[in-house]
Amino acid sequence: DAGVIQSPRHEVTEMGQEVTLRCKPISGHNSLFWYRQTMMRGLELLIYFNNNVPIDDSGMPEDRFSAKMPNASFSTLKIQPSEPRDSAVYFCASSPRGGDSSSYNEQFFGPGTRLTVL
Amino acid sequence: GENVEQHPSTLSVQEGDSAVIKCTYSDSASNYFPWYKQELGKGPQLIIDIRSNVGEKKDQRIAVTLNKTAKHFSLHITETQPEDSAVYFCAASPSGAGSYQLTFGKGTKLSVIP
Repeated sequence: DAGVIQSPRHEVTEMGQEVTLRCKPISGHNSLFWYRQTMMRGLELLIYFNNNVPIDDSGMPEDRFSAKMPNASFSTLKIQPSEPRDSAVYFCASSPRGGDSSSYNEQFFGPGTRLTVL
Repeated sequence: GENVEQHPSTLSVQEGDSAVIKCTYSDSASNYFPWYKQELGKGPQLIIDIRSNVGEKKDQRIAVTLNKTAKHFSLHITETQPEDSAVYFCAASPSGAGSYQLTFGKGTKLSVIP
């Protein structure tokens, strides 16, 4: 089975440039998450989608960050304009559960995109 | 919100010895506790989880225990092997509408010395 697929695996860009990270969740999973990992702050949830609809975007740092999920098999996280403090590893995760009152969330992570903003 | 503390931050053990990592949580509504293993350059991998209706769960060399009264849970790895070397994260999640929310500990870097 293919796991969560992320691209690119590494991205180096200059401050002010637009960055787009891509994610393909596990087929059949209806929940998708974007996380950011840094040494200082650990793993932080940025945004959560359920059935392609953004449910919780309270972790998105600021308006420079946006995320979309146009269909069940694809999501993007965009940073425009990028800044050096955005340098981090960004993970996409998916889950087969919808987060309703009777379910728990087993989340499966992709390999991540290491972003460096110079 | 939930706060998860994880100790120790680093742990070195001799191959064949046991390793124990401990986590505490603050929100009594949390009742799902997964553990993730992250190898260098890879994403976190779910290795075991426990739900609040059980106190212990085992899977071969790994086990997790949960004490809901004290709000702490632990990961136990027996007969450690060099391939167990990685960063381990605990997490906690509530039930209900917020069950998608995983609050992670800061991680424990485990080194198994051959």
